[in-house]
Amino acid sequence: DAKTTQPTSMDCAEGRAANLPCNHSTISGNEYVYWYRQIHSQGPQYIIHGLKNNETNEMASLIITEDRKSSTLILPHATLRDTAVYYCIVRGLYTGNQFYFGTGTSLTVIP
Amino acid sequence: DGGITQSPKYLFRKEGQNVTLSCEQNLNHDAMYWYRQDPGQGLRLIYYSQIVNDFQKGDIAEGYSVSREKKESFPLTVTSAQKNPTAFYLCASTRSLTTGELFFGEGSRLTVL
Repeated sequence: DAKTTQPTSMDCAEGRAANLPCNHSTISGNEYVYWYRQIHSQGPQYIIHGLKNNETNEMASLIITEDRKSSTLILPHATLRDTAVYYCIVRGLYTGNQFYFGTGTSLTVIP
Repeated sequence: DGGITQSPKYLFRKEGQNVTLSCEQNLNHDAMYWYRQDPGQGLRLIYYSQIVNDFQKGDIAEGYSVSREKKESFPLTVTSAQKNPTAFYLCASTRSLTTGELFFGEGSRLTVL
């Protein structure tokens, strides 16, 4: 049970911000939201994670709604190398601390 | 550089043969995992281990076996009992079962002829 819902695919123009949504309406209080991405035929790569507050690192920003039922991953200036499948994952005690991967969002950055 | 090494990258086997996929990490992580990925699908958990000499079944453990004799190593054996073994196999590790992000290897692609 992946516990998250993401759009199947999205497009984004190169240089623009890519906003990838994720619904996790059944998230529990101690469960974290993680984002990973997978470029074709490679191992997934960690991007960012958060609990309640918005987070930012050198790769992306994570915006979590106040009720924590949804989040958005923001890639501020998408490049062609950001074309990948993006996975939103909820992890915590109620998932047995496991990372459950759904089918993710296939992001295509268009020149 | 610290990381996870999987081998072989590509593997072909005949039906009825067992095959073992190697996974080694030098990150000093306690927890290790094996995932399977089929085309166009997400990752599914096969087995995981939180400490040496201990491992637990994931969601699709049937037809697979693992061992954890050393902290650094978590090999996966795909047995002849696995009915549809052709897939992309990913090994991963975290600092512990309860903390840390998941670090992945580059994967092993198994094809059964």
